Amino acid sequence: QKEVEQNSGPLSVPEGAIASLNCTYSDRVSQSFFWYRQYSGKSPELIMSIYSNGDKEDGRFTAQLNKASQYVSLLIRDSQPSDSATYLCAGITSGTYKYIFGTGTRLKVLA
Amino acid sequence: KAGVTQTPRYLIKTRGQQVTLSCSPISGHRSVSWYQQTPGQGLQFLFEYFSETQRNKGNFPGRFSGRQFSNSRSEMNVSTLELGDSALYLCASSVGGDGQPQHFGDGTRLSIL
Repeated sequence: QKEVEQNSGPLSVPEGAIASLNCTYSDRVSQSFFWYRQYSGKSPELIMSIYSNGDKEDGRFTAQLNKASQYVSLLIRDSQPSDSATYLCAGITSGTYKYIFGTGTRLKVLA
Repeated sequence: KAGVTQTPRYLIKTRGQQVTLSCSPISGHRSVSWYQQTPGQGLQFLFEYFSETQRNKGNFPGRFSGRQFSNSRSEMNVSTLELGDSALYLCASSVGGDGQPQHFGDGTRLSIL
Protein backbone atom coordinates (compact mmCIF):
# COMPACT_ATOMS: atom_id res chain seq x y z
CA GLN A 1 0.00 0.00 0.00
CA LYS A 2 1.25 3.46 -0.88
CA GLU A 3 1.65 5.73 2.10
CA VAL A 4 -0.75 8.33 0.68
CA GLU A 5 -3.08 7.35 -2.15
CA GLN A 6 -5.35 9.41 -4.34
CA ASN A 7 -7.42 8.67 -7.41
CA SER A 8 -5.74 10.49 -10.31
CA GLY A 9 -9.03 11.46 -11.93
CA PRO A 10 -9.96 13.51 -13.76
CA LEU A 11 -12.97 14.25 -11.62
CA SER A 12 -15.46 16.32 -13.58
CA VAL A 13 -18.22 18.26 -11.84
CA PRO A 14 -20.60 20.92 -13.16
CA GLU A 15 -20.25 24.50 -11.98
CA GLY A 16 -22.05 25.06 -8.69
CA ALA A 17 -21.85 21.41 -7.62
CA ILE A 18 -19.93 19.91 -4.70
CA ALA A 19 -16.59 18.35 -5.60
CA SER A 20 -15.45 15.54 -3.32
CA LEU A 21 -11.80 14.55 -3.29
CA ASN A 22 -10.55 11.60 -1.32
CA CYS A 23 -7.25 10.36 0.04
CA THR A 24 -6.27 7.27 2.05
CA TYR A 25 -3.12 6.81 4.10
CA SER A 26 -1.09 4.03 5.66
CA ASP A 27 -0.12 3.39 9.27
CA ARG A 28 3.26 5.11 8.70
CA VAL A 29 1.61 8.47 8.19
CA SER A 30 0.85 10.52 11.28
CA GLN A 31 -2.14 12.62 12.10
CA SER A 32 -1.18 15.87 10.37
CA PHE A 33 -2.76 16.19 6.93
CA PHE A 34 -2.79 18.87 4.30
CA TRP A 35 -4.52 19.68 1.03
CA TYR A 36 -2.73 21.62 -1.67
CA ARG A 37 -4.03 23.01 -4.95
CA GLN A 38 -1.72 23.11 -7.95
CA TYR A 39 -2.54 24.87 -11.17
CA SER A 40 -0.80 23.68 -14.30
CA GLY A 41 2.77 24.96 -14.41
CA LYS A 42 2.55 26.49 -10.95
CA SER A 43 3.71 25.41 -7.51
CA PRO A 44 1.40 23.80 -4.91
CA GLU A 45 -0.55 26.18 -2.71
CA LEU A 46 -1.72 25.16 0.75
CA ILE A 47 -5.51 25.15 1.07
CA MET A 48 -6.27 23.34 4.30
CA SER A 49 -4.57 21.66 7.25
CA ILE A 50 -6.38 19.18 9.47
CA TYR A 51 -5.00 17.58 12.60
CA SER A 52 -7.91 16.01 14.48
CA ASN A 53 -10.81 13.73 13.71
CA GLY A 54 -13.83 15.42 12.20
CA ASP A 55 -14.53 18.33 9.90
CA LYS A 56 -12.78 21.64 9.41
CA GLU A 57 -14.38 24.35 7.32
CA ASP A 58 -12.79 27.34 5.60
CA GLY A 59 -15.00 29.23 3.21
CA ARG A 60 -16.12 26.91 0.41
CA PHE A 61 -13.67 24.22 1.53
CA THR A 62 -14.26 21.50 4.12
CA ALA A 63 -11.60 18.99 5.09
CA GLN A 64 -12.64 15.77 6.80
CA LEU A 65 -10.38 13.39 8.71
CA ASN A 66 -11.42 9.88 9.72
CA LYS A 67 -8.61 8.24 11.68
CA ALA A 68 -10.40 4.92 12.16
CA SER A 69 -10.78 4.44 8.40
CA GLN A 70 -7.53 6.26 7.56
CA TYR A 71 -8.91 8.65 5.03
CA VAL A 72 -8.95 12.37 4.45
CA SER A 73 -11.31 14.16 2.14
CA LEU A 74 -11.77 17.65 0.74
CA LEU A 75 -15.16 19.00 -0.21
CA ILE A 76 -15.43 22.06 -2.42
CA ARG A 77 -18.88 23.63 -2.35
CA ASP A 78 -20.24 25.78 -5.18
CA SER A 79 -17.42 24.65 -7.47
CA GLN A 80 -16.17 27.25 -9.92
CA PRO A 81 -14.21 26.82 -13.17
CA SER A 82 -11.32 28.52 -11.37
CA ASP A 83 -11.21 25.52 -9.01
CA SER A 84 -10.04 23.37 -11.91
CA ALA A 85 -6.61 22.19 -10.81
CA THR A 86 -4.79 19.21 -9.37
CA TYR A 87 -5.37 18.66 -5.66
CA LEU A 88 -2.61 17.06 -3.63
CA CYS A 89 -3.14 15.32 -0.33
CA ALA A 90 -0.16 15.14 2.04
CA GLY A 91 0.69 13.74 5.45
CA ILE A 92 3.70 13.45 7.71
CA THR A 93 5.33 10.17 8.69
CA SER A 94 5.58 9.38 12.37
CA GLY A 95 9.03 9.86 13.85
CA THR A 96 10.95 10.87 10.71
CA TYR A 97 8.79 13.93 9.94
CA LYS A 98 8.88 13.19 6.24
CA TYR A 99 6.17 14.82 4.15
CA ILE A 100 4.43 12.29 1.91
CA PHE A 101 2.37 13.51 -1.03
CA GLY A 102 -0.23 11.66 -3.00
CA THR A 103 0.00 11.80 -6.79
CA GLY A 104 -2.89 14.24 -6.93
CA THR A 105 -6.44 14.27 -8.27
CA ARG A 106 -7.19 16.41 -11.30
CA LEU A 107 -10.44 18.30 -10.90
CA LYS A 108 -12.34 19.79 -13.85
CA VAL A 109 -15.23 22.12 -13.13
CA LEU A 110 -17.40 22.44 -16.20
CA ALA A 111 -19.04 25.81 -16.92
CA LYS B 1 6.00 37.84 5.87
CA ALA B 2 7.99 36.96 2.76
CA GLY B 3 7.33 33.56 1.24
CA VAL B 4 9.75 30.95 0.03
CA THR B 5 12.09 32.39 -2.59
CA GLN B 6 13.73 30.28 -5.25
CA THR B 7 16.37 31.47 -7.66
CA PRO B 8 16.76 31.41 -10.54
CA ARG B 9 13.24 30.98 -11.90
CA TYR B 10 14.40 29.60 -15.23
CA LEU B 11 17.60 27.93 -16.28
CA ILE B 12 18.83 26.38 -19.51
CA LYS B 13 21.81 24.05 -19.43
CA THR B 14 23.37 21.45 -21.69
CA ARG B 15 24.06 17.82 -20.99
CA GLY B 16 27.09 17.19 -18.82
CA GLN B 17 27.01 20.57 -17.11
CA GLN B 18 26.21 21.10 -13.46
CA VAL B 19 23.73 23.46 -11.85
CA THR B 20 23.07 24.98 -8.44
CA LEU B 21 19.62 26.08 -7.35
CA SER B 22 18.95 28.25 -4.34
CA CYS B 23 16.10 28.42 -1.85
CA SER B 24 15.46 30.96 0.90
CA PRO B 25 12.81 29.69 3.34
CA ILE B 26 10.20 31.66 5.21
CA SER B 27 11.75 33.46 8.17
CA GLY B 28 11.81 31.16 11.20
CA HIS B 29 11.49 27.97 9.16
CA ARG B 30 14.28 25.49 9.78
CA SER B 31 13.22 22.69 7.45
CA VAL B 32 13.74 22.85 3.70
CA SER B 33 12.68 20.11 1.30
CA TRP B 34 13.37 19.74 -2.40
CA TYR B 35 11.12 18.08 -4.98
CA GLN B 36 11.33 17.33 -8.67
CA GLN B 37 8.21 17.50 -10.80
CA THR B 38 8.04 16.52 -14.47
CA PRO B 39 4.99 17.19 -16.69
CA GLY B 40 2.02 15.11 -15.62
CA GLN B 41 3.92 13.61 -12.71
CA GLY B 42 3.54 13.96 -9.01
CA LEU B 43 6.08 15.42 -6.65
CA GLN B 44 9.22 13.32 -6.42
CA PHE B 45 10.97 13.91 -3.09
CA LEU B 46 14.69 14.62 -3.31
CA PHE B 47 15.79 15.43 0.24
CA GLU B 48 15.05 17.44 3.34
CA TYR B 49 17.37 19.49 5.48
CA PHE B 50 16.69 20.50 9.05
CA SER B 51 19.13 22.62 11.05
CA GLU B 52 21.88 22.09 8.48
CA THR B 53 21.56 18.28 8.55
CA GLN B 54 20.00 16.06 5.92
CA ARG B 55 17.11 14.46 7.75
CA ASN B 56 15.35 12.61 4.93
CA LYS B 57 16.39 11.45 1.49
CA GLY B 58 14.52 10.25 -1.58
CA ASN B 59 15.59 7.76 -4.22
CA PHE B 60 17.65 9.91 -6.51
CA PRO B 61 21.19 9.22 -7.75
CA GLY B 62 24.20 10.79 -6.09
CA ARG B 63 24.37 13.41 -8.85
CA PHE B 64 21.72 15.22 -6.82
CA SER B 65 23.03 16.79 -3.65
CA GLY B 66 22.12 19.57 -1.32
CA ARG B 67 23.13 21.54 1.69
CA GLN B 68 21.71 23.96 4.19
CA PHE B 69 23.38 26.95 5.72
CA SER B 70 23.16 28.30 9.25
CA ASN B 71 20.56 30.88 8.15
CA SER B 72 18.41 27.96 6.84
CA ARG B 73 18.93 28.89 3.20
CA SER B 74 19.46 25.80 1.08
CA GLU B 75 21.10 24.95 -2.20
CA MET B 76 20.62 21.97 -4.45
CA ASN B 77 23.28 20.85 -6.90
CA VAL B 78 22.91 18.54 -9.86
CA SER B 79 26.08 17.37 -11.57
CA THR B 80 26.56 15.79 -15.00
CA LEU B 81 23.16 16.90 -16.20
CA GLU B 82 21.05 14.53 -18.28
CA LEU B 83 18.11 15.27 -20.58
CA GLY B 84 15.82 13.56 -18.07
CA ASP B 85 16.72 16.14 -15.44
CA SER B 86 14.56 18.69 -17.23
CA ALA B 87 11.87 19.47 -14.68
CA LEU B 88 10.36 21.95 -12.27
CA TYR B 89 12.37 21.89 -9.06
CA LEU B 90 10.38 22.96 -6.04
CA CYS B 91 11.57 23.97 -2.63
CA ALA B 92 9.29 23.91 0.39
CA SER B 93 9.91 25.12 3.91
CA SER B 94 8.29 24.44 7.25
CA VAL B 95 8.99 25.20 10.88
CA GLY B 96 10.12 21.61 11.21
CA GLY B 97 9.22 18.84 13.64
CA ASP B 98 5.90 20.17 14.81
CA GLY B 99 3.49 18.78 12.24
CA GLN B 100 2.95 22.11 10.50
CA PRO B 101 2.53 22.27 6.72
CA GLN B 102 5.15 23.01 4.12
CA HIS B 103 4.97 26.14 2.01
CA PHE B 104 6.28 26.06 -1.53
CA GLY B 105 8.31 28.48 -3.55
CA ASP B 106 7.50 29.23 -7.18
CA GLY B 107 10.09 26.74 -8.37
CA THR B 108 13.00 26.72 -10.77
CA ARG B 109 12.25 25.43 -14.24
CA LEU B 110 15.34 23.66 -15.54
CA SER B 111 15.66 22.77 -19.19
CA ILE B 112 18.47 20.56 -20.48
CA LEU B 113 19.40 20.84 -24.14
